[in-house]
Amino acid sequence: GQQVMQIPQYQHVQEGEDFTTYCNSSTTLSNIQWYKQRPGGHPVFLIQLVKSGEVKKQKRLTFQFGEAKKNSSLHITATQTTDVGTYFCAGPSTGNQFYFGTGTSLTVIP
Amino acid sequence: DSGVTQTPKHLITATGQRVTLRCSPRSGDLSVYWYQQSLDQGLQFLIQYYNGEERAKGNILERFSAQQFPDLHSELNLSSLELGDSALYFCASSRDNRAIRSGYTFGSGTRLTVV
Repeated sequence: GQQVMQIPQYQHVQEGEDFTTYCNSSTTLSNIQWYKQRPGGHPVFLIQLVKSGEVKKQKRLTFQFGEAKKNSSLHITATQTTDVGTYFCAGPSTGNQFYFGTGTSLTVIP
Repeated sequence: DSGVTQTPKHLITATGQRVTLRCSPRSGDLSVYWYQQSLDQGLQFLIQYYNGEERAKGNILERFSAQQFPDLHSELNLSSLELGDSALYFCASSRDNRAIRSGYTFGSGTRLTVV
């Protein structure tokens, strides 16, 4: 099945520092989605990237899709305590179901 | 409130038992997906239904089964439960079969504890 790996698994940052999580696929992806899951909550859809080299921004969050469409990244500038949670990338299988990466758990220290 | 309703929120049961988890998708969504989330396995795709028909199977055990009814709600049946089945079970829905534009909308999950 689809393999989507994420690094790092855990990240602790001081409030105000930047944070980046990386997603890598063993195969070319037609698109990639990002989700955020707050502690005790459920995954919430953030964004989808479709085009090679695409970059999208949502306030302090910047999402990138690699040129080869095999990797993606999420960068948060100047983290805040509200950014705490686990960030997942998800890539579609041949049947269009999305397989989720292992997730990166972000802790923001005030 | 995401619009996806899952019941019950919590379930505690003994090994060997059978339980049914229920999911009502967001209004207008035709696809329902079931995911299992445990600490060491992340979010594992189990099964997908679209407009009443099974569309895809992931890492779903033979002891597990699901269906989607004409009103589009779905049920996940877990039988001969083992301790290792303890996990959060999420249901998600999407408007179409591909969830391309707006991704999945997840419910708040059912936390299953097998003792």
